[in-house]
Amino acid sequence: QSALTQPPSASGSPGQSVTISCTGTSSDIGGYNYVSWFQQHPGKAPKLMIYEVNKRPSGVPDRFSGSKSGNTASLTVSGLQAEDEADYYCSSYAGSNVLFGGGTKLTVL
Amino acid sequence: DVQLTESGGGLVQPGGSLTLSCAASGFAFSTYWMHWVRQTPGKGLVWVSRLNSDGSRIYYADSVKGRFIISRDNAKNTLYLQMDSLKMEDTAVYYCAGGGPYSASPLENWGQGTLVTVSS
Repeated sequence: QSALTQPPSASGSPGQSVTISCTGTSSDIGGYNYVSWFQQHPGKAPKLMIYEVNKRPSGVPDRFSGSKSGNTASLTVSGLQAEDEADYYCSSYAGSNVLFGGGTKLTVL
Repeated sequence: DVQLTESGGGLVQPGGSLTLSCAASGFAFSTYWMHWVRQTPGKGLVWVSRLNSDGSRIYYADSVKGRFIISRDNAKNTLYLQMDSLKMEDTAVYYCAGGGPYSASPLENWGQGTLVTVSS
């Protein structure tokens, strides 16, 4: 039950695009199309931004997109805005369990 | 509106017990997989446990297996987490999260969390 691997930090200027990676194994990310991404602002509960690799819940801007290749999933935030500054966590279904990544702090410069 | 409200957190000594509750409203609770996820202050999210709609399928993270018990009362729209033999490393904000009708349904709805502090 090892956590998924994310870079601790990422950054970009307003209007730019940034991509956050999430690496797992063939037993989790590589084995299922059930990758989710969550946004968490300080002191707040996580918010689902992407599910099933590349689907957006209602209300999530289309600036947020997801993809997967092999054992690595990615979240891309296009047209960065100040309010996108937050922690981002990936998650994957892994059979009986659910795994989270360690989180990536996104800074909007 | 969907609402998940956790309660029952607090300060407990190592080796002690605590039971968390999560009251749900605004969605078909009795048909959903439900989860507990925890977050040590300043650290990342860690999945703790989940169970299906009727409680017949239950899974735990290795770190809590044998010490925590997840359960639900669909008549009361409430999810529980009984925590025994608590350790200092169990200190965290505990969130309940609603999945969906399927085992791999995403965690779309979250409560605001309840803080559990294990300390002597």
